[in-house]
Amino acid sequence: FMLTQPLSVSGSPGQTVTISCTRSSGNIDSYYVYWYQQRPGSSPTTVIYEDRERPSGVPDRFSGSIDRSSNSASLTISGLKTEDEADYYCQSYHSSIWVLGGGTKLTVL
Amino acid sequence: DVQLVESGGTLIQPGGSLRLSCVASGVPVTYNYMTWVRQAPGKGLEWVSIFYHGETTYYADSVKGRFTISRDNSKRTLYLQMNSLRADDTAIYFCTRGTYGDSVVWGKGTTVVVSS
Repeated sequence: FMLTQPLSVSGSPGQTVTISCTRSSGNIDSYYVYWYQQRPGSSPTTVIYEDRERPSGVPDRFSGSIDRSSNSASLTISGLKTEDEADYYCQSYHSSIWVLGGGTKLTVL
Repeated sequence: DVQLVESGGTLIQPGGSLRLSCVASGVPVTYNYMTWVRQAPGKGLEWVSIFYHGETTYYADSVKGRFTISRDNSKRTLYLQMNSLRADDTAIYFCTRGTYGDSVVWGKGTTVVVSS
């Protein structure tokens, strides 16, 4: 199966943006979804794990959710800051192997 | 906190072999899985291989039969043996470590360039 993300999203400082991650087959809630942030020139870091959990140090402006009706997961970033400009990737599982989304470039205007 | 440090990346000719290493430091010692993920220049992340704590392993189709993942628990080190390297294996290779109920930790990566 595939995880499909929009190529890009944008927002102004202070606004709220949502990045979707749609599972092409199988139920989105069959396996946990993870979200990774990759700033330019840096390695990825985890911003959401197990659908909606935030690692320590990740601000509560970041939240994750699952929508069974659209078979998708979402990453919502509220109170946008310029430092949020990055690529974001969702990840889940097909049985025991990782499946990664193609990534979404977030531009903070 | 767990830290992961990859090494072993270099410039290598097509058809060559290379072994990458990923050393884990800090606590906790237990984990459920470790993976290799790569990123070709200007491209997105691509999952390469996974090693489960029970030593079960899986590979992406693009590397199956050429790459082997392994771990030395005494050295807290994950390896990726890469054989028959091709130009499209050129990428930054990241190591990750996951524990159920906790976040995924990423290393900073090591760069592999396959070119003559």
